[in-house]
Amino acid sequence: DAGVIQSPRHEVTEMGQEVTLRCKPISGHNSLFWYRQTMMRGLELLIYFNNNVPIDDSGMPEDRFSAKMPNASFSTLKIQPSEPRDSAVYFCASSLGRTTDTQYFGPGTRLTVL
Amino acid sequence: ILNVEQSPQSLHVQEGDSTNFTCSFPSSNFYALHWYRWETAKSPEALFVMTLNGDEKKKGRISATLNTKEGYSYLYIKGSQPEDSATYLCASPMAAGNNRKLIWGLGTSLAVNP
Repeated sequence: DAGVIQSPRHEVTEMGQEVTLRCKPISGHNSLFWYRQTMMRGLELLIYFNNNVPIDDSGMPEDRFSAKMPNASFSTLKIQPSEPRDSAVYFCASSLGRTTDTQYFGPGTRLTVL
Repeated sequence: ILNVEQSPQSLHVQEGDSTNFTCSFPSSNFYALHWYRWETAKSPEALFVMTLNGDEKKKGRISATLNTKEGYSYLYIKGSQPEDSATYLCASPMAAGNNRKLIWGLGTSLAVNP
């Protein structure tokens, strides 16, 4: 299995631009998680889908952030408009969804907003 | 609200030293305890998933124990090596209704000096 795939690996954009991060979970996994790595909060959960349905989006910072999962093999995290404080590494992870199931992380997208 | 805490926040040891750190979690409504290893510039990788009180798991020089009654888990590293330098995260599932998100600790950052 190729593991969780994220694209792009690096993104540099200017303030105000729209940014779209993409994730392909491991085939057969029914839970997908978007995380952000921050100095203050460590690994911060943004949103969590189960069977393509958003279950918990309490970590989404504000209306500028949105996430979709149109099917079981693809998810996007969009930031519009982007701001410098959004600069971070964004991870996508997937799992089989039970409390004892490991989450498998993608390589992350390093976002820099100038 | 489930709160997972880790201590110490950081640790510096010499190569060959053995070390351990702690993860504490609420003992009520316990489902599982996850340990992850997160190397700098990489993605978190699962070490162990523990579910039973008294459980002990081992992977090479790394082992973990679990006490669900008092709400803590210890991670031990025997004979630390520079390649063990990483942040070690623990997490416990929320498991409220159909919400299975992990509640993460802030991690223990381990630096092993050669």
